[in-house]
Amino acid sequence: NAGVTQTPKFQVLKTGQSMTLQCAQDMNHNSMYWYRQDPGMGLRLIYYSASEGTTDKGEVPNGYNVSRLNKREFSLRLESAAPSQTSVYFCASSEALAGLPGADTQYFGPGTRLTVL
Amino acid sequence: RKEVEQDPGPFNVPEGATVAFNCTYSNSASQSFFWYRQDCRKEPKLLMSVYSSGNEDGRFTAQLNRASQYISLLIRDSKLSDSATYLCVASGTYKYIFGTGTRLKVLA
Repeated sequence: NAGVTQTPKFQVLKTGQSMTLQCAQDMNHNSMYWYRQDPGMGLRLIYYSASEGTTDKGEVPNGYNVSRLNKREFSLRLESAAPSQTSVYFCASSEALAGLPGADTQYFGPGTRLTVL
Repeated sequence: RKEVEQDPGPFNVPEGATVAFNCTYSNSASQSFFWYRQDCRKEPKLLMSVYSSGNEDGRFTAQLNRASQYISLLIRDSKLSDSATYLCVASGTYKYIFGTGTRLKVLA
């Protein structure tokens, strides 16, 4: 029972490099999310996807793009990495968005620790 | 003002103690509330949902006070393994809003 998986677990980039963080869930959830977590800041929402084919900006979307490839997969891309993007990135999924029928708790992947030099 | 606020702690308590955390939320329209546990360098994991009537799961009790817009978590008979950061979550418009967490250290 994998739940939410993320790759890679660790990554070091140089400023200006690009990379894609991968996320997949096997719980048949409709909604998926990308967060970043920084010391003292808590979890901040970068982008979310209510359902397959839709994506929306969260609290801190600048410098990121996302793709909801299918119901299972939701990727996060950094086109030109900056040191300010050094963080731990978590992907999560839930049955539905908060406030909608069927909405329930979120399940998180193990995270990707990204360092941008 | 943050949408969800928590005392960052740390709360240092001896084994066997009872400890309580509070969390306040600003959006009166929030419908769902949760407590998550996060161990160092790990992902958040659901500890329990918080219902209007309050709910209990073993040594853990969660309460919701809508009038004062806060939720609480009570841990009885603390174990060393309870040492972690506890995140309070309130639902927003299509999103979940996380507090920054309260750190608990249970001491032998």
